Amino acid sequence: AQSVTQLGSHVSVSEGALVLLRCNYSSSVPPYLFWYVQYPNQGLQLLLKYTSAATLVKGINGFEAEFKKSETSFHLTKPSAHMSDAAEYFCAVSARSGGSYIPTFGRGTSLIVHP
Amino acid sequence: GAGVSQSPSNKVTEKGKDVELRCDPISGHTALYWYRQSLGQGLEFLIYFQGNSAPDKSGLPSDRFSAERTGGSVSTLTIQRTQQEDSAVYLCASMPTQAGVYEQYFGPGTRLTVT
Repeated sequence: AQSVTQLGSHVSVSEGALVLLRCNYSSSVPPYLFWYVQYPNQGLQLLLKYTSAATLVKGINGFEAEFKKSETSFHLTKPSAHMSDAAEYFCAVSARSGGSYIPTFGRGTSLIVHP
Repeated sequence: GAGVSQSPSNKVTEKGKDVELRCDPISGHTALYWYRQSLGQGLEFLIYFQGNSAPDKSGLPSDRFSAERTGGSVSTLTIQRTQQEDSAVYLCASMPTQAGVYEQYFGPGTRLTVT
């Protein structure tokens, strides 16, 4: 079984401030972890992924995330927010089970960036 | 190259009518998923196709929902006797099965409104 919890349905930051979006997961087997971004009226786009290589993962648009097994966390960060970062962010966990591969998504966190 | 496409982009239908939503995955992607995204909710898994295997229908909310995938490519999600609670954005995603690639590629979605 696997699940994802994203803390905070909305996160508000000022332009130039640190972005921190929290994700905690549970998985009975070593997980694959993902962050996706969704802009208005669009589908989801992959930001970054962890697949058991380096625990600090760098993605597109200056985002990065660190896999911490002891904390079962995969928080997303960006040192300096830009107005264009305003979007919905989804954390997802997956593991292959019996040949099937069905990721579980969190409820999403809406990032609001103030000028 | 071409991404995942979905049609129609918007669909308004009357309660009780049947609707068909179409998904064209990326060529060569063997896995295909349907999700439902309601306002303020995460992605609700509906159904998963993997190659020629029997689909995983465990997420379909009722027997009014069905999906097929013809020739391992195009997929159609059918909702019979639509209800107002079926109003949502329906997202399709595809995924290749080559080693090391585990992320999904999403289409822009179909916004379904049941009046």
